[in-house]
Amino acid sequence: DAKTTQPPSMDCAEGRAANLPCNHSTISGNEYVYWYRQIHSQGPQYIIHGLKNNETNEMASLIITEDRKSSTLILPHATLRDTAVYYCIVRVAEGSQGNLIFGKGTKLSVKP
Amino acid sequence: AAGVIQSPRHLIKEKRETATLKCYPIPRHDTVYWYQQGPGQDPQFLISFYEKMQSDKGSIPDRFSAQQFSDYHSELNMSSLELGDSALYFCASSFGGAWGYTFGSGTRLTVV
Repeated sequence: DAKTTQPPSMDCAEGRAANLPCNHSTISGNEYVYWYRQIHSQGPQYIIHGLKNNETNEMASLIITEDRKSSTLILPHATLRDTAVYYCIVRVAEGSQGNLIFGKGTKLSVKP
Repeated sequence: AAGVIQSPRHLIKEKRETATLKCYPIPRHDTVYWYQQGPGQDPQFLISFYEKMQSDKGSIPDRFSAQQFSDYHSELNMSSLELGDSALYFCASSFGGAWGYTFGSGTRLTVV
């Protein structure tokens, strides 16, 4: 799996958008970008994933650059409950090829 | 909706004892993954099973073994426990290894 680079920590004001960047410059053509988050001591939670098009769901939006070397997770209106460690992971989607390998995520602190 | 069930939630063992952690995947999920998360660490992949066969192996110590049974539940067996084995152990499941994994709430193992 390709390696990702994320800032170790970020702050965000409650109600504002949180934009979490991720660099994955060595991503392969068949690798997807996945985002998970882990609220303190809970199991990691799936947020969103994408290949090359921007994606949106009820939790977040994922913006992937045209060259696919970086992406941004957007939480449009951050709440205190969004305080967590956010992990950007790249892997192939099918079968057992490439398990989820967690790197050093971004600790997001949402402040009132 | 049914989630991934892990048991027990908490476990205290003495050094050199053995421990067995259990994981019940989401119904119809055929792939199970085990992760270890030490204090202040990111989740580390241990081992995975697809259709009752080991599919991938990560940083699992030789003292640990795991298997997936005919009903798709999985057990992680840990022997000769060491203080450093104290950690959160997460199980996740997916269908065919595709898309997002669903994680359980974890088992907190404390070795004293």
